[in-house]
Amino acid sequence: DAKTTQPTSMDCAEGRAANLPCNHSTISGNEYVYWYRQIHSQGPQYIIHGLKNNETNEMASLIITEDRKSSTLILPHATLRDTAVYYCIVRDSRDNYGQNFVFGPGTRLSVLP
Amino acid sequence: EAQVTQNPRYLITVTGKKLTVTCSQNMNHEYMSWYRQDPGLGLRQIYYSMNVEVTDKGDVPEGYKVSRKEKRNFPLILESPSPNQTSLYFCASSLTFEGGSYEQYFGPGTRLTVT
Repeated sequence: DAKTTQPTSMDCAEGRAANLPCNHSTISGNEYVYWYRQIHSQGPQYIIHGLKNNETNEMASLIITEDRKSSTLILPHATLRDTAVYYCIVRDSRDNYGQNFVFGPGTRLSVLP
Repeated sequence: EAQVTQNPRYLITVTGKKLTVTCSQNMNHEYMSWYRQDPGLGLRQIYYSMNVEVTDKGDVPEGYKVSRKEKRNFPLILESPSPNQTSLYFCASSLTFEGGSYEQYFGPGTRLTVT
């Protein structure tokens, strides 16, 4: 089972920041938080990941709370092409090698003109 | 260009007719995986492979086989397809887990319909 909970859907105005929350209250100390997105029926696309510190790359920023029980993905200036399903994933602890990703239902983000 | 390729992209077949969906990556990744995606169920892992000749079951392996004879290829085999295997299939690859983090690269998907 997915170890994260996310809102089912969100809307965001084009040009504004999109803030996508994720709860992972049972996360353990060595587990990373990953974000992927899937545009329509294309293959999922990696966005960003983090462990404890906030992270930023050319696509987004990831803010992880100090207790690590939740995080927020921020798309600073959302465009129509950012409309997608966004998945927050914590690496499944059943797999000792950390290779078994468990995708939940994700958040369907709609960027509105 | 670094990529994961899948073939075919679309396939319509009949119940019981064996088929293979190929997956190939050009990034020298050790880890490869197959997922299926169904409406309302999200992405579910079928099989994964840590390296050549090393494979293991994911969450929904029934009715599928895989092999990993070469590092770059990870075919998905349906020996006797059934209609409940109608789905969108994705192959993915990544470097082996090292230091706790890695990025998975996904292929474009194969839409399979079994009648």
